[in-house]
Amino acid sequence: DTGVSQNPRHKITKRGQNVTFRCDPISEHNRLYWYRQTLGQGPEFLTYFQNEAQLEKSRLLSDRFSAERPKGSFSTLEIQRTEQGDSAMYLCASSLGTRLYEQYFGPGTRLTVT
Amino acid sequence: GDSVTQMEGPVTLSEEAFLTINCTYTATGYPSLFWYVQYPGEGLQLLLKATKADDKGSNKGFEATYRKETTSFHLEKGSVQVSDSAVYFCALTDSGGYQKVTFGIGTKLQVIP
Repeated sequence: DTGVSQNPRHKITKRGQNVTFRCDPISEHNRLYWYRQTLGQGPEFLTYFQNEAQLEKSRLLSDRFSAERPKGSFSTLEIQRTEQGDSAMYLCASSLGTRLYEQYFGPGTRLTVT
Repeated sequence: GDSVTQMEGPVTLSEEAFLTINCTYTATGYPSLFWYVQYPGEGLQLLLKATKADDKGSNKGFEATYRKETTSFHLEKGSVQVSDSAVYFCALTDSGGYQKVTFGIGTKLQVIP
């Protein structure tokens, strides 16, 4: 068990560019979550997958954001036409359906939009 | 909606001092309550949890008791160490739905020798 991994760890992009992040959950975990954390704040929920189905999306997830989890394994989060306000740490977490309360977090991807 | 309020930091303590970080919550139903810790340069880790009223979560010398009557889940440790320096997040998951976690803003703890 290598834990939840996220790539890249850091991303610097210019405003208006598209970026994509990847999350690899713990292998047997069927639930996957994305959160966003801005400086000095706690993480905020963005979206949730159970297997390959995206079951809930926060109002924070504007039309420029899209997330996928093909085949119920890894997940990607894409941000189109990035804005400076998108600068944040993007966290992925996963959990096992039978132990719903324990979410395991990855190290995060820090996005800086210049 | 659900929310978590925790004391703002930073909190600076000397080694072996007593620690309390206050946390209160607002939620419908019967949430589960958590403390997560984020050490410098590392990801969030679950520190302890309590899933029903009067439960006490404990781990690594930290404790917190689920108080439904005061909607609180204060974190305590009797004697802090320099290695406890981190950011501590109080959090909850709702009793239904998909158990998304709602976090407080985090409290930075610095322990000095």
